[in-house]
Amino acid sequence: DQQVKQNSPSLSVQEGRISILNCDYTNSMFDYFLWYKKYPAEGPTFLISISSIKDKNEDGRFTVFLNKSAKHLSLHIVPSQPGDSAVYFCAASDPYGGSQGNLIFGKGTKLSVKP
Amino acid sequence: DTAVSQTPKYLVTQMGNDKSIKCEQNLGHDTMYWYKQDSKKFLKIMFSYNNKELIINETVPNRFSPKSPDKAHLNLHINSLELGDSAVYFCASSRYTGELFFGEGSRLTVL
Repeated sequence: DQQVKQNSPSLSVQEGRISILNCDYTNSMFDYFLWYKKYPAEGPTFLISISSIKDKNEDGRFTVFLNKSAKHLSLHIVPSQPGDSAVYFCAASDPYGGSQGNLIFGKGTKLSVKP
Repeated sequence: DTAVSQTPKYLVTQMGNDKSIKCEQNLGHDTMYWYKQDSKKFLKIMFSYNNKELIINETVPNRFSPKSPDKAHLNLHINSLELGDSAVYFCASSRYTGELFFGEGSRLTVL
């Protein structure tokens, strides 16, 4: 059973436009959410995170929104750039893993930003 | 000056063989992990070590044995390799915020 779901395997966006990547989760006890970015033949790299006590966190062009009642979070990238083309993984912190980072990952969404 | 490095990057081997993947981190983190990304692209945790002690051991066959000689190293040894072990294995480390730093991955192909 997937506790973290990214239902869109791919997304294509024009350069300069907004990219919106979505993520849904089933466990209401998740308390920390992260987005990772992965280029081919590289490991995932941390992008941005949000605690369950917040509903928005912004870092430059990247903003993560959390809707706890809907168990939904989204990553907004604006403006999108060709270098943003990568696979984006949503992850949630397992409360029983606590601060030791037992993250549960979604399957990823491949973002393609076209010039 | 790689933060989390793992070797080898690619590994092709026959069924039944024993192989190891090494991981080292120079970030001074206390916790290290092994994650497996299977053919369906799921990233799933296998093991977690904190200061050389096993913390998390998911339902992984006992053919997989992690070894942590010190808190900067976490190696993964796999005995009697099977076709289903083919995957990309990622080593990672963290301090305490839940943010993981991943290595580049080791692609294991079992023939």
